[in-house]
Amino acid sequence: EAQVTQNPRYLITVTGKKLTVTCSQNMNHEYMSWYRQDPGLGLRQIYYSMNVEVTDKGDVPEGYKVSRKEKRNFPLILESPSPNQTSLYFCASSPWAGGTTDTQYFGPGTRLTVL
Amino acid sequence: AQSVAQPEDQVNVAEGNPLTVKCTYSVSGNPYLFWYVQYPNRGLQFLLKYITGDNLVKGSYGFEAEFNKSQTSFHLKKPSALVSDSALYFCAVSPDGNYGGSQGNLIFGKGTKLSVKP
Repeated sequence: EAQVTQNPRYLITVTGKKLTVTCSQNMNHEYMSWYRQDPGLGLRQIYYSMNVEVTDKGDVPEGYKVSRKEKRNFPLILESPSPNQTSLYFCASSPWAGGTTDTQYFGPGTRLTVL
Repeated sequence: AQSVAQPEDQVNVAEGNPLTVKCTYSVSGNPYLFWYVQYPNRGLQFLLKYITGDNLVKGSYGFEAEFNKSQTSFHLKKPSALVSDSALYFCAVSPDGNYGGSQGNLIFGKGTKLSVKP
């Protein structure tokens, strides 16, 4: 089944404890992206990647890191989480055909709470 | 700054009535416009998109949207609403890479909650 998977789905942690949220897609998509969803703010893009070893900042990259060492995986790293990073996180991927933004396929989300 | 506005936090309609969810955008160059839907406790699902061509775009589940360049709008519509259409709807825009934006940068509106009552 074609899908985007995220792990963990739920995570409660404490301030300053490094964590990684994994994202994997099995559709051979070029493009992958991370978003956070907050009430009243909609979805905001954190980072995106148009190919292996190519990543770019979105609108809210502060406090986050990403890497794209293989096509299928795009982990989101919080080196020192803070309470303002408590949010619902979504990973997404798309084929990136012809350079235009194509339909994005979203993962199920990761609900992160930082105490 | 490039942005997307969804002026209504919530839209309430009766089942069987037509529905409209509004979206306006501000972006340099030619925009690529999208609508996504989010059902409770789920990720977002693609509904439809406008890249170029016909201003009226038809998508999944009977939804359609009309691109209006002069009004910089991309309103989502459906002729006859269903209770199962109740969800959170997001409009999104990807800026034209020829005008300084990056086509990888997708900008979402804040979302509009659609409630369809029987």
